[in-house]
Amino acid sequence: QKEVEQDPGPLSVPEGAIVSLNCTYSNSAFQYFMWYRQYSRKGPELLMYTYSSGNKEDGRFTAQVDKSSKYISLFIRDSQPSDSATYLCAMSRLGGTSGSRLTFGEGTQLTVNP
Amino acid sequence: ETGVTQSPTHLIKTRGQQVTLRCSSQSGHNTVSWYQQALGQGPQFIFQYYREEENGRGNFPPRFSGLQFPNYSSELNVNALELDDSALYLCASSFPGWETQYFGPGTRLLVL
Repeated sequence: QKEVEQDPGPLSVPEGAIVSLNCTYSNSAFQYFMWYRQYSRKGPELLMYTYSSGNKEDGRFTAQVDKSSKYISLFIRDSQPSDSATYLCAMSRLGGTSGSRLTFGEGTQLTVNP
Repeated sequence: ETGVTQSPTHLIKTRGQQVTLRCSSQSGHNTVSWYQQALGQGPQFIFQYYREEENGRGNFPPRFSGLQFPNYSSELNVNALELDDSALYLCASSFPGWETQYFGPGTRLLVL
């Protein structure tokens, strides 16, 4: 069983729709949760970062973490064609000055149609 | 501020050969991690370097090795290339005390 599960999609929505992307995980040691956006043939770009449970909002993006359910979500409001990309959830279990390894989901491929 | 850079962008090798990939970390970041991303998959952690020493390793064989230099740049070396090594290799750097990692554009390796 994978430590992080993510529906690969593909997910196709009309412009302006609210998009919900989700990941579940099995390791309760994960404390830090991130969402990355990856355009085709590019490196992942950090979108959102959350520590422990709760919500975080940044513009059209909202990240939610529910540690009791081991479930994280990313919501995109007023989706735009430029949001078309693969969205990767990532988690880490260690802190400190040396950084941590990230465990990624498979990624969800999103297409926003004009 | 300069972001993470990687070279080369693309590479074609044949099975059994050796390859070296290079990464320059973002300014102020002293930790570099390497990931392998197969087509259609999420990145898989290979190893991490902090202050020129390996600081954690994922489930990759010893033919995957690395180095970090005093200026925090890094190399990933892969010996005895196999067809399954074909992937996008990503380098990420971290700011001291932060959990978030910032990725470079990757090197796309094709093994024939």
